[in-house]
Amino acid sequence: AQSVSQHNHHVILSEAASLELGCNYSYGGTVNLFWYVQYPGQHLQLLLKYFSGDPLVKGIKGFEAEFIKSKFSFNLRKPSVQWSDTAEYFCAVISNAGGTSYGKLTFGQGTILTVHP
Amino acid sequence: DTEVTQTPKHLVMGMTNKKSLKCEQHMGHRAMYWYKQKAKKPPELMFVYSYEKLSINESVPSRFSPECPNSSLLNLHLHALQPEDSALYLCASSLRTVSTNEKLFFGSGTQLSVL
Repeated sequence: AQSVSQHNHHVILSEAASLELGCNYSYGGTVNLFWYVQYPGQHLQLLLKYFSGDPLVKGIKGFEAEFIKSKFSFNLRKPSVQWSDTAEYFCAVISNAGGTSYGKLTFGQGTILTVHP
Repeated sequence: DTEVTQTPKHLVMGMTNKKSLKCEQHMGHRAMYWYKQKAKKPPELMFVYSYEKLSINESVPSRFSPECPNSSLLNLHLHALQPEDSALYLCASSLRTVSTNEKLFFGSGTQLSVL
């Protein structure tokens, strides 16, 4: 069964600091990877996704993530965080089991990011 | 319209009550999902509907009963719930389910409290 592991439960940064949130998955087949963000009191929103091609993907709000297949990782980065980035971030994976998928996203445990002004 | 709308936003119910959660989308999506998110935990898949037919039930107890009356609506009927069922119930939709290249659109959720 696929699983997703996020290394940090809670990250606290000051504005303008650089961010890297770790994500590892445990599935050997073809996977599609996502980062979702959940701002306080709001619904889950897609930040970025990787399906194929360039392993460095750029998302909204200046976020990017790099897919490293050999390390089963998909870490999220942002060069300079803002107070408004305070939220919970979820890494998620869909595996391509047998060539089909039914949208069974498996989420990591989430990382709460707190950015101090 | 790129929204998934869920009602109600908050629901408090007793263990003997019967209630329903509703989800609606008008994006032409043919796959709809129910997820359950406990506090400080990631969302967990409950049900998947594909073209109005139930395609996945993740071993969810029968006190949760999903219904997809048409391609735009998804309901979750609740009966005889337990306090541990208190959680945020998220609805999501995607264009179709047969491909992995699908983006899920999530609703804001219904925060359910069972007393």
